[in-house]
Amino acid sequence: DAGVIQSPRHEVTEMGQEVTLRCKPISGHNSLFWYRQTMMRGLELLIYFNNNVPIDDSGMPEDRFSAKMPNASFSTLKIQPSEPRDSAVYFCASSLGSTGAADTQYFGPGTRLTVL
Amino acid sequence: TQLLEQSPQFLSIQEGENLTVYCNSSSVFSSLQWYRQEPGEGPVLLVTVVTGGEVKKLKRLTFQFGDARKDSSLHITAAQPGDTGLYLCAGPYWVTGKLIFGQGTTLQVKP
Repeated sequence: DAGVIQSPRHEVTEMGQEVTLRCKPISGHNSLFWYRQTMMRGLELLIYFNNNVPIDDSGMPEDRFSAKMPNASFSTLKIQPSEPRDSAVYFCASSLGSTGAADTQYFGPGTRLTVL
Repeated sequence: TQLLEQSPQFLSIQEGENLTVYCNSSSVFSSLQWYRQEPGEGPVLLVTVVTGGEVKKLKRLTFQFGDARKDSSLHITAAQPGDTGLYLCAGPYWVTGKLIFGQGTTLQVKP
């Protein structure tokens, strides 16, 4: 079975540009999570969806960040405009159940974003 | 705010040595998880401990959940180069249930 798929794997952009990160969760999984990982702050949850509905977006840093899940097999995380401090590795994860952290989360390989 | 503190942050040892990584909090967690992350990849779940005092073994890895459910440890016996990676502990935040991660322990096992 294919795991969580993320694209692109690497993204280099200039400050002020719009960035869109994509995620395809494991088929049949009901929950999807977006995380950001940096050396300074570690791994942080940005937002999570259950059955395509955003449940907790308290980790979204500011209005420049937005996430959507139009259907069960696709989600996007958009940053507009991007800033150098957004440089990080962004992970998408999915889980089978609907109870958030209690279920096993399967992580994708991540997107390494560099904003110049 | 529930926080998870891991120690040590970095560990470099020779193959065959034993090591222990700690994950501590001042708050009670309903469960704790341990992940391993290799360079260029996402974290992979190793184990979930749920009951205070619980001990779980995964080959050469032994995981323990503290009796008060505020801390956990990961012990590796006879470390091998394949154990190299970032080890993360994580637990659900009691209000929202979302996972909170420790800062991680970077382990390097030299052949």
